[in-house]
Amino acid sequence: DIQLTQSPSFLSASLGDRVTITCRASQGISSYLAWYQQKPGKAPYLLIYSASTLQSGVPSRFSGSGSGTEFTLTISNLQPEDFATYYCQQVLSYPRSFGQGTKLEIK
Amino acid sequence: EVQLLESGGGLVQPGGSLRLSCAASGFTFRSYAMSWVRQAPGKGLEWISAIIGSGGSTFYADSVKGRFTVSRDNTKNTLYLQLNNLSAGDTAIYYCAKDIYHFDYWGQGTLVTVSS
Repeated sequence: DIQLTQSPSFLSASLGDRVTITCRASQGISSYLAWYQQKPGKAPYLLIYSASTLQSGVPSRFSGSGSGTEFTLTISNLQPEDFATYYCQQVLSYPRSFGQGTKLEIK
Repeated sequence: EVQLLESGGGLVQPGGSLRLSCAASGFTFRSYAMSWVRQAPGKGLEWISAIIGSGGSTFYADSVKGRFTVSRDNTKNTLYLQLNNLSAGDTAIYYCAKDIYHFDYWGQGTLVTVSS
């Protein structure tokens, strides 16, 4: 099974900041990686798929990069609605494992 | 508009059973794989099961294999998850999701609480 390790687990930032979250896979997954945002009490929401493709409707301040085993999610110009928990997910094979999550908080 | 609506959650005793449903609309249900994902209170996301569009192949996480069974009725556009031999560790919100490798649509979730 493929394990995903996200870092950091917690991130504190201010409005307007640029932040980066890293996701490392235990084996190569090409570009089979997705990123989700989850707010308290809500279902996860797809942000990025195929490592770098922005889901329709997602603001362009979100971007993704990487391939193989190392991936990043970058959020530029943080807005109040961006403070949430973010998860990566490998979609190469079942089980479709998730990273442990990164909680982004307001500084 | 794609909609996924889970139901069937509730309070169940340890060792008990429950069947969750996920009613789908707004897309050609039979053409897509579907997955179940759960989230224990205050914890992260855990993928637990998937089924391909035809229902001919199913997949499970080790944590639920042998206890949970995924199925679908393409005539009713409904996905199911049968939960057997439940324990406290199965307490979670259970989400269904449309699985096109990534999960582009999710339901709102249904809460399963296992407690005596």
